Amino acid sequence: DVKVTQSSRYLVKRTGEKVFLECVQDMDHENMFWYRQDPGLGLRLIYFSYDVKMKEKGDIPEGYSVSREKKERFSLILESASTNQTSMYLCASSLGGTYNEQFFGPGTRLTVL
Amino acid sequence: AQTVTQSQPEMSVQEAETVTLSCTYDTSESDYYLFWYKQPPSRQMILVIRQEAYKQQNATENRFSVNFQKAAKSFSLKISDSQLGDAAMYFCAYRSAMGNTPLVFGKGTRLSVIA
Repeated sequence: DVKVTQSSRYLVKRTGEKVFLECVQDMDHENMFWYRQDPGLGLRLIYFSYDVKMKEKGDIPEGYSVSREKKERFSLILESASTNQTSMYLCASSLGGTYNEQFFGPGTRLTVL
Repeated sequence: AQTVTQSQPEMSVQEAETVTLSCTYDTSESDYYLFWYKQPPSRQMILVIRQEAYKQQNATENRFSVNFQKAAKSFSLKISDSQLGDAAMYFCAYRSAMGNTPLVFGKGTRLSVIA
């Protein structure tokens, strides 16, 4: 079974802190994605990566950055957390190609106080 | 840019009954893929069913089937013999067949199943 894991299920941080969300997949997938999920807004794409050291901006990249130094790991970084970044963050991965399904991690619920 | 619209924020169905979740999308492309994902409460999102736009035949996976109307840009999900475990958020998603592009999701429909 494909497994996508995220470093924390719940996280509480203070405004202004630097926050790292880690995602690891164990199926040698080329593609990895970070989404933000908010009630009534669905899933919005923050960043994605098609290869190691590659990144592409999604729909809402402002206030976030990413890092992909190894194929299996994709990190989301909040440089200076703000209260409006309180949300559920979902990581996903997939094989290359447009028909392949995305496999999702369990999500990290981040609260910024 | 492509958009996906799920016009029903919430729906409910009696156990053992059939329910249809609506999804429409907007695109100028002729070749693409459509997906339905399920997100149970506090659990991981999983793929329910997918459809290739160039296939006329509607996809089916056990109790789940789709009604794909390409001209109308409609992709509804039908759940037959609903079970309590079907209660979840359901997301419709679109993916272009051009290049390695990410999924575009709708805002979701929350389905409740009444015993």
